[in-house]
Amino acid sequence: NAGVTQTPKFQVLKTGQSMTLQCAQDMNHNSMYWYRQDPGMGLRLIYYSASEGTTDKGEVPNGYNVSRLNKREFSLRLESAAPSQTSVYFCASSGQFRWTGNTIYFGEGSWLTVV
Amino acid sequence: GQQVMQIPQYQHVQEGEDFTTYCNSSTTLSNIQWYKQRPGGHPVFLIQLVKSGEVKKQKRLTFQFGEAKKNSSLHITATQTTDVGTYFCAGSEKLVFGKGTKLTVNP
Repeated sequence: NAGVTQTPKFQVLKTGQSMTLQCAQDMNHNSMYWYRQDPGMGLRLIYYSASEGTTDKGEVPNGYNVSRLNKREFSLRLESAAPSQTSVYFCASSGQFRWTGNTIYFGEGSWLTVV
Repeated sequence: GQQVMQIPQYQHVQEGEDFTTYCNSSTTLSNIQWYKQRPGGHPVFLIQLVKSGEVKKQKRLTFQFGEAKKNSSLHITATQTTDVGTYFCAGSEKLVFGKGTKLTVNP
């Protein structure tokens, strides 16, 4: 039972390069999320998808785009990476959109460094 | 927008001492969740509180939800080295997490 799987686990990018973080869940969840975590800043929501076919901005969406490819998959794209995007990225999912109180399940994280 | 403030940001205790972290919201919450993140790991769900004044226990962990549903606390009795990590609260609105309290335990 894999839960939430995200790839790659580690990535180094040069400023201006683009890349996509992939995320898939096998729990038949409706809602998926992308967070970033920086030291002393906690978890900040980048984008979320309350259900298949919808996406919405979170707290810190600038510089990112997302695609809810299907119910299982939710990708995060950095079009032109900047050093400020160096962070740990977590994908997560929940059965229903979070404010109904469903548990959020997190992937193991992707460590991204932009030089 | 909604903010969830968590204090303290860091806490260092001797093994066997108690530990408490507090979470305060600027708005009334329909529910609150607590998560634990071990060093180098990912956040893992601990518990959810829904009712005003609710108290839940998990072994040495006691979780409380305030009467006004704007604050919550996590109390650990007699900390152990296995309690090391960062504890986050998460408010129901806008998926907002507190910044977390990082707990270190001296054996």
